[in-house]
Amino acid sequence: AQSVSQHNHHVILSEAASLELGCNYSYGGTVNLFWYVQYPGQHLQLLLKYFSGDPLVKGIKGFEAEFIKSKFSFNLRKPSVQWSDTAEYFCAVNAPRGNNRLAFGKGNQVVVIP
Amino acid sequence: SAVISQKPSRDICQRGTSLTIQCQVDSQVTMMFWYRQQPGQSLTLIATANQGSEATYESGFVIDKFPISRPNLTFSTLTVSNMSPEDSSIYLCSVEVDRVGTEAFFGQGTRLTVV
Repeated sequence: AQSVSQHNHHVILSEAASLELGCNYSYGGTVNLFWYVQYPGQHLQLLLKYFSGDPLVKGIKGFEAEFIKSKFSFNLRKPSVQWSDTAEYFCAVNAPRGNNRLAFGKGNQVVVIP
Repeated sequence: SAVISQKPSRDICQRGTSLTIQCQVDSQVTMMFWYRQQPGQSLTLIATANQGSEATYESGFVIDKFPISRPNLTFSTLTVSNMSPEDSSIYLCSVEVDRVGTEAFFGQGTRLTVV
């Protein structure tokens, strides 16, 4: 089964700073990759996803992620964060030809200070 | 897309009791799932709720502890039975609208505290 690693569980940064959250997965076959976000008091929602094609994926709210197959990574980036980006961010992967269940990382708690 | 309503949103329960969580979707979906999110941990899949048949449980989860019902394509329930403080967690309902492997949608979760 696939597994997902996210590092630096707690991230604190100031507005306008750049954000990069690392995500590495372990699975040798074809994968679908996702970043989900959970704002305080709200449900999990999809930020962006990668199924195939251009490995640089653009999502909502200025976020993007790059799939690097050789590194088994799908890092999330935003060049300039806002206070409203304070949230928990989860990387997830499923293997459409494997067991096909979503596997989540432990999440990154991001706090943006005004 | 899909809109998921989960009830209750939170509850505080006595140990030894059971709580049933409801998940209602605004459209018919093939795949429904139940997750647990323990404090400081990632989401862990409990089981896949199958319509018309028994749920499929992941390793470490059993039907006696987490019975699941799925009477139709828009509704499911998860019961947390004989609760202990270790069951304190957020429980999430999730659905996939189209074929397996596409985007998952989540309910707001049920925050359970067992005292």
